[in-house]
Amino acid sequence: EVQLVESGGRLVQPGGSLRLSCAASGFTFSAYSMHWVRQAPGKGLEYVSAISSNGGNTYYANSLKGRFTISRDNSKNTLYLQLNNLRTEDMAVYYCARGGGVRWLATDYFDYWGQGTLVTVSS
Amino acid sequence: DIQVTQSPSFLSASVGDRVTITCRTSQAISIYLNWYQQKPGKAPNLLIYSGSSLQSGVPSRFSGSGSGTDFTLTISSLQPEDFATYYCQQSYIDSPFTFGGGTKVEIK
Repeated sequence: EVQLVESGGRLVQPGGSLRLSCAASGFTFSAYSMHWVRQAPGKGLEYVSAISSNGGNTYYANSLKGRFTISRDNSKNTLYLQLNNLRTEDMAVYYCARGGGVRWLATDYFDYWGQGTLVTVSS
Repeated sequence: DIQVTQSPSFLSASVGDRVTITCRTSQAISIYLNWYQQKPGKAPNLLIYSGSSLQSGVPSRFSGSGSGTDFTLTISSLQPEDFATYYCQQSYIDSPFTFGGGTKVEIK
């Protein structure tokens, strides 16, 4: 059974940093691209970032470039998202998701999702 | 960036109704439009990918159609468990993964 379990979300002050983790199991983690999607309270889904199966390629939503860094450790079956210089508008549930397509970025879709981890940004 | 406009944002329907949700993209994206269902407090769930391909395990009452800039998600006969929020998402090569604003389907 495919499982994705996020962790690391907590209350952080504006300007602070946080690292989110997503532990994967039930599939060959190193064979799939992985993604982060976030959802602010009461709002819609917002795409954040992607990383290729071997970690050699990354992609970020234009609005988030420079503050967030995606990475993965295929030996630990774990995906990461480093969040720096956090703003109140970054407060959201952060989901990790598996890329179900066969091509990097183009035509991809998210076939499995974790339960999400909540990041709260407040002083 | 490719913009995705989803409509309606809210829909009230009865069990057994045929329901249609549409998404329009700001430029042609071939067939690369995906649909997700999200229930309160839960992660999204993939329903349809690449315009019309039904994800494994998803009931056949869900279908997708369209290409270019105009896409449709249809629920042929709305069931109680289908009351949820639905999102479309484009995955075209130039600027992938933009989501539509969502359609909340509620009980009439």
